[in-house]
Amino acid sequence: DGGITQSPKYLFRKEGQNVTLSCEQNLNHDAMYWYRQDPGQGLRLIYYSQIVNDFQKGDIAEGYSVSREKKESFPLTVTSAQKNPTAFYLCASSIGTGRGLAISNEQFFGPGTRLTVL
Amino acid sequence: QKEVEQDPGPLSVPEGAIVSLNCTYSNSAFQYFMWYRQYSRKGPELLMYTYSSGNKEDGRFTAQVDKSSKYISLFIRDSQPSDSATYLCAMKETSGSRLTFGEGTQLTVNP
Repeated sequence: DGGITQSPKYLFRKEGQNVTLSCEQNLNHDAMYWYRQDPGQGLRLIYYSQIVNDFQKGDIAEGYSVSREKKESFPLTVTSAQKNPTAFYLCASSIGTGRGLAISNEQFFGPGTRLTVL
Repeated sequence: QKEVEQDPGPLSVPEGAIVSLNCTYSNSAFQYFMWYRQYSRKGPELLMYTYSSGNKEDGRFTAQVDKSSKYISLFIRDSQPSDSATYLCAMKETSGSRLTFGEGTQLTVNP
């Protein structure tokens, strides 16, 4: 079965701790994304990566870090510098970027990780 | 001002009703327009996409794009309780891969 997996489904963190959220895809997609979803605010882009070993900041990157060492994996670390980390985190992937093909624009989402800071 | 504005709802309708969901946008460079459906505590899934202006129909769903007014709509005919979800509009420029999402509209279809 091809798809995107995120783990864990639920995560609890104490204030001051760093935590890492996992995202894996077996769709052979080049591009991967991390979003944060809060009630009434839709999806906000944290970081995205268009190719292995390269990534760019999104709109709300402060307090987060990522790596893209493998095509299949794009882990997100929520650091202690993130002041309000409690949210639903969604990972997504797409075939590629800027190819002008409609099919390349579809982003496939994982099931999400709900992070709660205690 | 946000690049994409979406009626936040929530919206509650009886089964069989026609539902209209709407988004407006300010970036004239947006060329790809999408609607995602998100069930509670799940990831969004692509429902429909449209390139540039026009209509697209898929079963009970119709997506409309009016680029002159910077306005997009999703119509759901003969709505069903299984349509109860949050609907997110998303838009993209021709180049690059970033999507810009609306806030989402929560829809409940009552049997």
